[in-house]
Amino acid sequence: EVQLVESGGDLVKPGGSLRLSCAASGFIFSNAWMTWVRQAPGKGLEWVGRVKSKDDGGTTDYAAPVKGRFSISRHDSKKILYLQMNSLKTEDTAVYYCATVRYQLLSRYFDLWGRGTLVTVSS
Amino acid sequence: DIQMTQSPSSLSAFVGDRVTITCRASQSTSRSLNWYQHKPGTAPKLLIYGVSSLQSGVPSRFSGSGSGTDFTLTISSLQPEDFATYYCQQSYTIPWTFGQGTKVEIK
Repeated sequence: EVQLVESGGDLVKPGGSLRLSCAASGFIFSNAWMTWVRQAPGKGLEWVGRVKSKDDGGTTDYAAPVKGRFSISRHDSKKILYLQMNSLKTEDTAVYYCATVRYQLLSRYFDLWGRGTLVTVSS
Repeated sequence: DIQMTQSPSSLSAFVGDRVTITCRASQSTSRSLNWYQHKPGTAPKLLIYGVSSLQSGVPSRFSGSGSGTDFTLTISSLQPEDFATYYCQQSYTIPWTFGQGTKVEIK
């Protein structure tokens, strides 16, 4: 079955760290660009960051609110995407989704999504 | 950064109504404009990519149009399962950005 399953969400104190995982199955993970998107309580979707496939350089980019604190990595042989979150703030409280990034017709889009994992940052 | 502004922020409609949601970008996004549907507690779902291409498996009552900075998502005949929040998203430049969402509710 083609799917993404996130895990690792938890309650963490401000200033703490957490690592989220996204397990992929049913497609060639190593070829895929991957992304993280979050949704804070009562808010809309917010792009967090993206990692390219290793064939395309494996580089990462991040949204300004998380740059320097969050890091995306991938383990292609295990088919797992990671989001390392450091120096967490209360405003990082959200459901975090991973998704695949595809490219067609001059557009990159997120076509396969996981169901998300909840991160709560609170003292 | 490219700012995406949707209107309206919410709307109420009857089953069978034609619904139009607009999305305006602060600068041109070329063809890099996508639409998603999101229901609480579920994974977001891709509806439209590249302005007007229907994702496989998405009903044909959904359509997208537009160019440059102004884009539209249309639902030709609203169905009960369409009540959700809809987001536009640009992937023309990093940081990729979403609109604030349009919540479609039952009238």
